[in-house]
Amino acid sequence: GAGVSQTPSNKVTEKGKYVELRCDPISGHTALYWYRQSLGQGPEFLIYFQGTGAADDSGLPNDRFFAVRPEGSVSTLKIQRTERGDSAVYLCASARGGSEETQYFGPGTRLLVL
Amino acid sequence: AQSVTQLGSHVSVSEGALVLLRCNYSSSVPPYLFWYVQYPNQGLQLLLKYTTGATLVKGINGFEAEFKKSETSFHLTKPSAHMSDAAEYFCAVRTTGANSKLTFGKGITLSVRP
Repeated sequence: GAGVSQTPSNKVTEKGKYVELRCDPISGHTALYWYRQSLGQGPEFLIYFQGTGAADDSGLPNDRFFAVRPEGSVSTLKIQRTERGDSAVYLCASARGGSEETQYFGPGTRLLVL
Repeated sequence: AQSVTQLGSHVSVSEGALVLLRCNYSSSVPPYLFWYVQYPNQGLQLLLKYTTGATLVKGINGFEAEFKKSETSFHLTKPSAHMSDAAEYFCAVRTTGANSKLTFGKGITLSVRP
């Protein structure tokens, strides 16, 4: 079946602009995660949704970052007033749920802020 | 709090040689442990995971890992390296509780020499 998809695959923007990154999880997966991977580093947790609600947003770096999942499926990560330091690969993962769930990752969106 | 240490950033082996990638973790509660592989310009793919039960876990592509609680380790091994194993490898930990975010190490790049 189809895996996790993310669009766009690449996004170039200018400092100060607003961007939206989209994640389509695997059908039927109730849990959805966003991670950020900077160059030479492992992915870092941003936010976790269980259904429509954000169960844990402790990884969001500041109030310029926001994510939604209004219908419990597709999620959008929104970044306001982008800064050069926001440049990274943004990864989305989904999971079926349950205590031994495996997170399945999408290919990521590579964001470059000029 | 949880953390993962992957010592060294790069490992190089000859084709056919043993692959050993080290991972040590810190967790205040019994952990679930994961190894993911990332090929260039692709998303993270699960190699194997330890949740409960047998401490020697076998994964895809001939990889295996052993959970050693006394050493807080989860090293990844493969008896004979193949050229196609060249990639970046990430060890990750998460708790068994409700908050199921993954905490990743910095990753190790594996090169395979012909």
